[in-house]
Amino acid sequence: IAGITQAPTSQILAAGRRMTLRCTQDMRHNAMYWYRQDLGLGLRLIHYSNTAGTTGKGEVPDGYSVSRANTDDFPLTLASAVPSQTSVYFCASSDSAGPLYNEQFFGPGTRLTVL
Amino acid sequence: ILNVEQSPQSLHVQEGDSTNFTCSFPSSNFYALHWYRWETAKSPEALFVMTLNGDEKKKGRISATLNTKEGYSYLYIKGSQPEDSATYLCAFNTGTASKLTFGTGTRLQVTL
Repeated sequence: IAGITQAPTSQILAAGRRMTLRCTQDMRHNAMYWYRQDLGLGLRLIHYSNTAGTTGKGEVPDGYSVSRANTDDFPLTLASAVPSQTSVYFCASSDSAGPLYNEQFFGPGTRLTVL
Repeated sequence: ILNVEQSPQSLHVQEGDSTNFTCSFPSSNFYALHWYRWETAKSPEALFVMTLNGDEKKKGRISATLNTKEGYSYLYIKGSQPEDSATYLCAFNTGTASKLTFGTGTRLQVTL
């Protein structure tokens, strides 16, 4: 089934630990995105990638890094997790880069708790 | 940081009622306005992408209008049904990068 998968579904993590959230899409979309969803704040963009090999910073990039080695995968890494990174993380993709005339497709989300 | 505002924050209507909500966004450097529907425990799903001033889009009982000169979009639901219960998000793109700025959403609850 075409779409976006994320792993893990949920995770409890000790502060200071390193964690990588995985995202894979099979729609051959150029652009991919990572958002975090926090109560009262809506979806906020962490990092994005217009195409394989390029990445860019979103609204809240600090404490996170991404890579885009190929079209399908866009992992998000927390180098040293802190409790303020407790959130639900959504990966998304879009069949365009630059002006967003095309919709974004979202993965099922990863619920991360940092203790 | 771009400011995208949605109102009301939440709305509770009876089945069969028609309703509408507003998304306000900066009117300068406009490229696209997206509407998403987000059901509880699911992922956001796109409803509309609107790019032209005066655009009107429709999907079943849901429609949207766009005014880029004054910086607002309306989403209308005609004859609300319980399955319409969800949070409705709008998101704004200036076109300078592949970035959407989301509003915090309007949470709609439709009861029998």
